[in-house]
Amino acid sequence: ETGVTQSPTHLIKTRGQQVTLRCSSQSGHNTVSWYQQALGQGPQFIFQYYREEENGRGNFPPRFSGLQFPNYSSELNVNALELDDSALYLCASRSQANTQYFGPGTRLTVL
Amino acid sequence: DQQVKQNSPSLSVQEGRISILNCDYTNSMFDYFLWYKKYPAEGPTFLISISSIKDKNEDGRFTVFLNKSAKHLSLHIVPSQPGDSAVYFCAAGDGNQFYFGTGTSLTVIP
Repeated sequence: ETGVTQSPTHLIKTRGQQVTLRCSSQSGHNTVSWYQQALGQGPQFIFQYYREEENGRGNFPPRFSGLQFPNYSSELNVNALELDDSALYLCASRSQANTQYFGPGTRLTVL
Repeated sequence: DQQVKQNSPSLSVQEGRISILNCDYTNSMFDYFLWYKKYPAEGPTFLISISSIKDKNEDGRFTVFLNKSAKHLSLHIVPSQPGDSAVYFCAAGDGNQFYFGTGTSLTVIP
């Protein structure tokens, strides 16, 4: 077990809605990254937060946004959901040794 | 454009034999590499890592080899066990962002 938790585990939304996914990082890790994993693909980097500031972003539109809180928990927000947003969303916290530890993921289905 | 590639979508190996999973990358700036194992309905589990200053790292039955000139890394599992059956992802990064391959599904046959 990595110590990284995510909620909810599953979520069903309809197109156009907004969603918030939550992640609690492993203790002592101040960097968190979010990934989207579509079926049959590897995780794709969405963005990374370090000490509450976004410090890296992948090729995702602005309707994907995030927050990191002082206790290093974080949120991923997606606005104006599209069918292609259906995926497994993973958060990962990073140790001092630069290793990422993943949570179990949130499975989002957009209908 | 895929910066990290795992060209074998699947691999089957007899229990007790060696499993070799391969990964290629395109960006010479990548300096940190990881392997993850993933079971269905779970997040990826970290297995082993290697930094670009090394060419080999070993942890129990798992060894990762890095060939920087060829931009290639491989994961060796010896001896393979049925519990190793899972999807394996390699990831490469430059310290900020990690790029993942599409995974290799390993089946270890008892």
